[in-house]
Amino acid sequence: DAKTTQPNSMESNEEEPVHLPCNHSTISGTDYIHWYRQLPSQGPEYVIHGLTSNVNNRMASLAIAEDRKSSTLILHRATLRDAAVYYCILDNYGQNFVFGPGTRLSVLP
Amino acid sequence: DTGVSQDPRHKITKRGQNVTFRCDPISEHNRLYWYRQTLGQGPEFLTYFQNEAQLEKSRLLSDRFSAERPKGSFSTLEIQRTEQGDSAMYLCASSFNKQYNEQFFGPGTRLTVL
Repeated sequence: DAKTTQPNSMESNEEEPVHLPCNHSTISGTDYIHWYRQLPSQGPEYVIHGLTSNVNNRMASLAIAEDRKSSTLILHRATLRDAAVYYCILDNYGQNFVFGPGTRLSVLP
Repeated sequence: DTGVSQDPRHKITKRGQNVTFRCDPISEHNRLYWYRQTLGQGPEFLTYFQNEAQLEKSRLLSDRFSAERPKGSFSTLEIQRTEQGDSAMYLCASSFNKQYNEQFFGPGTRLTVL
């Protein structure tokens, strides 16, 4: 079973920030938090990952709660190309990923 | 292109036939994963290799499914006696064995069993 829970769907307007939440209340101390996204008709692609501290990269930011039981993926300015299914995944030392159904993000022009 | 490649991209077969899919990972990656994805669901793990060793298999991987990675490079996934329930997208991913596990996914092979 997936160890994370996410909303089924979210909507955003183009060029506005998007905050995608993920709950992972059973996270262990060594679990990394990964975010992947899947564009239509493509395989998933890596977005960002973190362990304890907030992380930034060119695609997004990851905000991790102090107790690590939840995290939020932040897209600073959504574009139409960001419309995808976003998956939050826990990973412990490179074991297989357990994907949930993810959050389907729609971006409105 | 140095990403993960999969062949074929699409396969249509009749029930009862055997099919084989190929995955070529990123060259320096020693881990290779197979996932299956049905419509509206996230990918489900099937099996993974570290080099040529198959280290884990999901209970989803029935005895009709077999995967190999003979020289620790490309991998094949064979499905024998296909059933309509095998219709899905089969995804391959590879990663470099390190503490955090960024997996790079291929475009997938879409299987349709008639």
